[in-house]
Amino acid sequence: GAGVSQSPRYKVAKRGQDVALRCDPISGHVSLFWYQQALGQGPEFLTYFQNEAQLDKSGLPSDRFFAERPEGSVSTLKIQRTQQEDSAVYLCASSFRQGAGELFFGEGSRLTVL
Amino acid sequence: QQQVKQSPQSLIVQKGGISIINCAYENTAFDYFPWYQQFPGKGPALLIAIRPDVSEKKEGRFTISFNKSAKQFSLHIMDSQPGDSATYFCAASFQKLVFGTGTRLLVSP
Repeated sequence: GAGVSQSPRYKVAKRGQDVALRCDPISGHVSLFWYQQALGQGPEFLTYFQNEAQLDKSGLPSDRFFAERPEGSVSTLKIQRTQQEDSAVYLCASSFRQGAGELFFGEGSRLTVL
Repeated sequence: QQQVKQSPQSLIVQKGGISIINCAYENTAFDYFPWYQQFPGKGPALLIAIRPDVSEKKEGRFTISFNKSAKQFSLHIMDSQPGDSATYFCAASFQKLVFGTGTRLLVSP
């Protein structure tokens, strides 16, 4: 596809379960970002990859959150032992430039933790 | 610590009117200031952006005004239409994009 693709679009997890969210960026985009958007709020930065290197993970809320992009393309955000406060939309964005220039966002993965 | 402050939180404008949304920032290292539009259930989409060496940028009905000394910038939507009803986010970037809290715009027919 031409845009950023995220899956699953919706995920319901029981508290304590592990979840994995996938992001397929636009082909050739070197920069990839993950954001967390709570209901009625602006997106909050989680982590940034330049190709396969994770250059900034300062926004990850706890060590239960882990992200990877092993081949510099597809990225996975993993949340271990989910908690109710993890309920949010997780947005992935990519850019053909290094750093945060024009970002193209996916439609997000909505996580609900019961 | 909120690095980008946005107002108002919500806005109702008559069709054909002007919508104005304001943002202020603290970090003088920011070098890119985009505005994003988000519809329910969708990801944010870039609307228009400006760099700090320019005081104004216009694209169609959308204009960014930028005041570097005051560390403020605003979005003006001219001839607002019902299809413009969405949530608008200002943002600022140095190495990563920092978003404002959003403005929910409703354009009444």
